[in-house]
Amino acid sequence: ILNVEQSPQSLHVQEGDSTNFTCSFPSSNFYALHWYRWETAKSPEALFVMTLNGDEKKKGRISATLNTKEGYSYLYIKGSQPEDSATYLCASPGKAGTALIFGKGTTLSVSS
Amino acid sequence: DTEVTQTPKHLVMGMTNKKSLKCEQHMGHRAMYWYKQKAKKPPELMFVYSYEKLSINESVPSRFSPECPNSSLLNLHLHALQPEDSALYLCASSQDLGTSLARTYNEQFFGPGTRLTVL
Repeated sequence: ILNVEQSPQSLHVQEGDSTNFTCSFPSSNFYALHWYRWETAKSPEALFVMTLNGDEKKKGRISATLNTKEGYSYLYIKGSQPEDSATYLCASPGKAGTALIFGKGTTLSVSS
Repeated sequence: DTEVTQTPKHLVMGMTNKKSLKCEQHMGHRAMYWYKQKAKKPPELMFVYSYEKLSINESVPSRFSPECPNSSLLNLHLHALQPEDSALYLCASSQDLGTSLARTYNEQFFGPGTRLTVL
């Protein structure tokens, strides 16, 4: 069974701080790695889908990197803002076309 | 329109009731998903529909019955549920080019969920 792990479980930073968190997944039979942001009382929102080793994707102040050989992805937020407060989920399928297995998420709280 | 809508937002039902959850999208996505999310746990896949045909059933009990009447709609029919079925039920959709790899590589668009309480 595919195991997707995220750390830390929660994080509290001050406005303007930069932060990062980790998603770990088995490096064998890798297909894709998804990142989602889930704000309270809203729908989970896709941030990135990453497939290539060494890939780096960016959306505004948020970026992500992927290392499929060692089985991890980092999500970075530069200059955190209160509106970045959310739970960040990563997910990966065990096999092509099968269920996305989600990690438990990292809950980020940004204070102004 | 990049929105996935779900109704109702909240549902309270008894163990003998029959109810349905509805999900709708107008993005032309041909893959649609039902997830169940319990408190402090990640979403868990229940069903996947591809081109209106059931593609994946993650060993879900038969008291949950999915239906995809057309490419925009996805229903989840509920009957004789148990209190442990209380959870947030999320619907999602994604592009599907008819291959399992296409579903793997495409982002999923989620609805806001239905909060279900079974008494």
